Amino acid sequence: DSGVTQTPKHLITATGQRVTLRCSPRSGDLSVYWYQQSLDQGLQFLIQYYNGEERAKGNILERFSAQQFPDLHSELNLSSLELGDSALYFCASSVGDRGYEKLFFGSGTQLSVL
Amino acid sequence: KNQVEQSPQSLIILEGKNCTLQCNYTVSPFSNLRWYKQDTGRGPVSLTIMTFSENTKSNGRYTATLDADTKQSSLHITASQLSDSASYICVVSAAGGYNKLIFGAGTRLAVHP
Repeated sequence: DSGVTQTPKHLITATGQRVTLRCSPRSGDLSVYWYQQSLDQGLQFLIQYYNGEERAKGNILERFSAQQFPDLHSELNLSSLELGDSALYFCASSVGDRGYEKLFFGSGTQLSVL
Repeated sequence: KNQVEQSPQSLIILEGKNCTLQCNYTVSPFSNLRWYKQDTGRGPVSLTIMTFSENTKSNGRYTATLDADTKQSSLHITASQLSDSASYICVVSAAGGYNKLIFGAGTRLAVHP
C-alpha cells in the first residue's frame, strides 16, 4: 500500500458529462501529481500541485482542471467528456517539489466514457 | 525533444531465468533516472532512482545500471519469479526544480512456469 488513496476506483459515464476524481496524498506529502495513462501508452503528466499552489503543467486539456485543498487532498475535474478521455488516471504524491524525490502512486481511477 | 524509449516492448521468460530490459533517453538537462514496476491495473511502484553520478543500484533481485554518457540504462532481473510479471517503466527526470518526469511506454514482462 503506497499510502495514496484515489476514489472512485472505477467510473463509467457518457460523453459530454463531467466527473471529479479525488486523491488523498500520503501523510506528510505536500506535492500531488496527476497522470493519464491511455491503453498501452506511457503515463502522461497532467499537472502538479505543491501545498495548494499549481507548480507545473503538462499536457492537460482546457476541459480538465484540478485543485489542491488546504487539507492537501486534490481533485481532478474532467468536463465535456469525450470517448478519447477513457483512461486510467493516476495520482502520485511526494514530500516536496524537487526533481529527485520518490513518487508514490495511488491505484488509479479507471474512467470509461461511453 | 525529451524522449524515453524502452526495449523490448514485451518479453516472455521462464521462471528462474534472468533478463535485461533496456532504456534509452534523450532528456536534457538530466536529473535522475527511475525504474518502476507496474502490475496490471495498479499504480507504478518505485524500484530504483539513480542520479548522474550513480552507475549501478540494486533493489533485491533488481539491478539497474546507468551510462550517462551514452544516455542508456538497463534493468536486470535475476532468478525471475512469477510475481515479476508486470510492466517495467523507465522514467527520466529533467532538471529544473519541478518534478516533471518523462515516462517510457514500458516493457511488458511475462514470467511463465
